[in-house]
Amino acid sequence: EPEVTQTPSHQVTQMGQEVILRCVPISNHLYFYWYRQILGQKVEFLVSFYNNEISEKSEIFDDQFSVERPDGSNFTLKIRSTKLEDSAMYFCASRWDRTDTQYFGPGTRLTVL
Amino acid sequence: AQTVTQSQPEMSVQEAETVTLSCTYDTSESDYYLFWYKQPPSRQMILVIRQEAYKQQNATENRFSVNFQKAAKSFSLKISDSQLGDAAMYFCAFQVNRDDKIIFGKGTRLHILP
Repeated sequence: EPEVTQTPSHQVTQMGQEVILRCVPISNHLYFYWYRQILGQKVEFLVSFYNNEISEKSEIFDDQFSVERPDGSNFTLKIRSTKLEDSAMYFCASRWDRTDTQYFGPGTRLTVL
Repeated sequence: AQTVTQSQPEMSVQEAETVTLSCTYDTSESDYYLFWYKQPPSRQMILVIRQEAYKQQNATENRFSVNFQKAAKSFSLKISDSQLGDAAMYFCAFQVNRDDKIIFGKGTRLHILP
């Protein structure tokens, strides 16, 4: 069964550094998402992406964040200058169309020191 | 704004017994989806069950079933014949049909007692 994959599974970085989290959505999917979950809290929507542009973003998704689909398979989330409060689990999700279920990847745990 | 409320932070159930997790939501929309996601210790998000709001019939997936009460805005998850592998955090979630984002509740941690 096709799956969303994410790399790395765990990323440790120093405050102020840039990080790129990578996702490979399911191959025929057209809609892509990032969510985050701070430890012990609920999952929160960050951004949705369709047709090579952002379709919706939350208040959390400020100028420090950006997303890109650099080729036909990868979908990346970049945090330009990480803060301590960016430490969280980041989930990528994808779906075929807007009536489809969103399928989540296994997550990347980001630790900012 | 849509909200999802899970009033039970933790629950325990004996193995092989049945347990029901509660969820209520608030929305003025009429066309939406409801979900239950399972998050085991690995922290992966696994879809357990999905319900379309326009469907009156409650969704079922093997040992998992929901009780969807649209007028009461209630969406509970029943797990029958609980197994040790069911131990996880369970999130109730909501999505308006025309929207992209899924809105999650705070979760219920389910313990299975052997």
